[in-house]
Amino acid sequence: DAGVIQSPRHEVTEMGQEVTLRCKPISGHDYLFWYRQTMMRGLELLIYFNNNVPIDDSGMPEDRFSAKMPNASFSTLKIQPSEPRDSAVYFCASSLSHPRAHYEQYFGPGTRLTVT
Amino acid sequence: EDQVTQSPEALRLQEGESSSLNCSYTVSGLRGLFWYRQDPGKGPEFLFTLYSAGEEKEKERLKATLTKKESFLHITAPKPEDSATYLCAVQIQGAQKLVFGQGTRLTINP
Repeated sequence: DAGVIQSPRHEVTEMGQEVTLRCKPISGHDYLFWYRQTMMRGLELLIYFNNNVPIDDSGMPEDRFSAKMPNASFSTLKIQPSEPRDSAVYFCASSLSHPRAHYEQYFGPGTRLTVT
Repeated sequence: EDQVTQSPEALRLQEGESSSLNCSYTVSGLRGLFWYRQDPGKGPEFLFTLYSAGEEKEKERLKATLTKKESFLHITAPKPEDSATYLCAVQIQGAQKLVFGQGTRLTINP
């Protein structure tokens, strides 16, 4: 199993530009999560999906952030326009809602975003 | 508000020196408590899930325990390769999302 795949691994962009982060969850998993990690705030949940439907987006910082999941094997997190305070590592995670799977989430390698 | 607090923030041990990391939580209803390990530049790696007070899980030199208010990650005779940040997270009843603590950065000196 390839695990959760994220791209790009690193992104450097200028303030005001649009940024799109991509995620491919583990095949068969029905939950997908987007997190942001910074030194100051730690690991924060932004949004999560169940069967491609957004369930809770209360962690999305503002309207500049949007996320989509057009099918079971792909999701995007978009920031438009980007600002320096968006600089962080963004993680995607997936999980399986089966009682025997214990609901643990499996994380991708992350995308390190730097906005200058 | 659901909260997770980990202590200490950082811990430095000599190889072979056993110790424990603490995760205390305040939640409306606990579905599960999770421990993750995170190496620099990588995503968190799942270690354990604990569901009820009194439960214990073991993996190599690590043992996780759970009470009604906190969890401990005991590390016995650690090696330098155990150096990492250890994250604790809680899952609330009726929800899939996790609330993470700030983590404990563990360094094992040879």
